[in-house]
Amino acid sequence: GGIITQTPKFLIGQEGQKLTLKCQQNFNHDTMYWYRQDSGKGLRLIYYSITENDLQKGDLSEGYDASREKKSSFSLTVTSAQKNEMAVFLCASSIAGSAETLYFGSGTRLTVL
Amino acid sequence: TQTVSQSDAHVTVFEGDSVELRCNYSYGGSIYLSWYIQHHGHGLQFLLKYYSGNPVVQGVNGFEAEFSKSDSSFHLRKASVHWSDSAVYFCAVSPDTNAYKVIFGKGTHLHVLP
Repeated sequence: GGIITQTPKFLIGQEGQKLTLKCQQNFNHDTMYWYRQDSGKGLRLIYYSITENDLQKGDLSEGYDASREKKSSFSLTVTSAQKNEMAVFLCASSIAGSAETLYFGSGTRLTVL
Repeated sequence: TQTVSQSDAHVTVFEGDSVELRCNYSYGGSIYLSWYIQHHGHGLQFLLKYYSGNPVVQGVNGFEAEFSKSDSSFHLRKASVHWSDSAVYFCAVSPDTNAYKVIFGKGTHLHVLP
């Protein structure tokens, strides 16, 4: 088995601040994803990376940057945190070509004061 | 563009009851369909998936789902729920033309009462 580790678990930021969320997986999966989860809105895809050094925008990429530093890690940066923003960011991975089965981390809960 | 709809935000049943959680999708081509479960404070866990073949698929912990092309549906069922099944359930779809773009419904919160 494997695990996806997201750090930090809780992130508190100030309005306008640049914030970085990190994700590591030891499944040796090729593809990684970042989703944003808001209460009552389900999950929305921010970025995904099919393989190392690849980046693809999802439906919610505006306001975010992503970086796939190596196969096992995928970072997400909130470029300018919005006041009163509160959401959970979920990282996931999958075997290449098998995207219908995603493995998720426990999430990073963001609060912007 | 594919969309997925889960019409019930909350479903409440008693332990031992059967339950059906509804999922409808819209997409013109072939798609992958999946269900995931999320317990409070955790990430999502895969339950089951369908792409082709037998329209009834079995998942973990007694869950099954049935695909219907005519209804554009992929409803999740369990014959007898346990209190530990209380969680949020998400239906997900991705087109076979870009299987990486997995789109999730808003989720259905299942409450199982003792």
